[in-house]
Amino acid sequence: TQLLEQSPQFLSIQEGENLTVYCNSSSVFSSLQWYRQEPGEGPVLLVTVVTGGEVKKLKRLTFQFGDARKDSSLHITAAQPGDTGLYLCAGPPFPKAAGNKLTFGGGTRVLVKP
Amino acid sequence: NAGVTQTPKFRVLKTGQSMTLLCAQDMNHEYMYWYRQDPGMGLRLIHYSVGEGTTAKGEVPDGYNVSRLKKQNFLLGLESAAPSQTSVYFCASSFRDWRSYEQYFGPGTRLTVT
Repeated sequence: TQLLEQSPQFLSIQEGENLTVYCNSSSVFSSLQWYRQEPGEGPVLLVTVVTGGEVKKLKRLTFQFGDARKDSSLHITAAQPGDTGLYLCAGPPFPKAAGNKLTFGGGTRVLVKP
Repeated sequence: NAGVTQTPKFRVLKTGQSMTLLCAQDMNHEYMYWYRQDPGMGLRLIHYSVGEGTTAKGEVPDGYNVSRLKKQNFLLGLESAAPSQTSVYFCASSFRDWRSYEQYFGPGTRLTVT
């Protein structure tokens, strides 16, 4: 079973500060997805990273896929209260699983205080 | 375009009662999934379907049954509810092609079994 471990589990910061969330595995993933889940809602896909070393930016969010495709990070610059939520990383195991199933990390709960 | 919808949003059951959760998607996705989300456990796959008329077991299938009679609908059934099935249930769907690992989630059903 290929696991994804996220750290930290919980992060509380003030508006304007930066934060980084990590997603690590001992296994290779062919791609990784990052989702954000707001209270009472389902997860919403933010980005998919596919190539080792890839960096993608989405406004103040920067996503990086490790060179060996075993880890990923999410960095938020100048966090705002609207960034509050549960951040989940997920990825398809390698080799591919039937039904294109995803492995999900346990999530990092981010609270940005005004 | 409603995306993925789930019915109902909330439900309280007594031990031993049965119920069916309905998931509908209007994106013409081939793949559909049912997850449960519990505190500290992340998202766990219950059952999934790769097409109309097909279903398969996920990580935690015991106590649940599913059916996919129409491409756009995926039903999750609890035949005899148990307190251990108290959870938030999410349905998701995805394409079959290179986008298959990008899943679209519904808003969730919060189920309490007393």
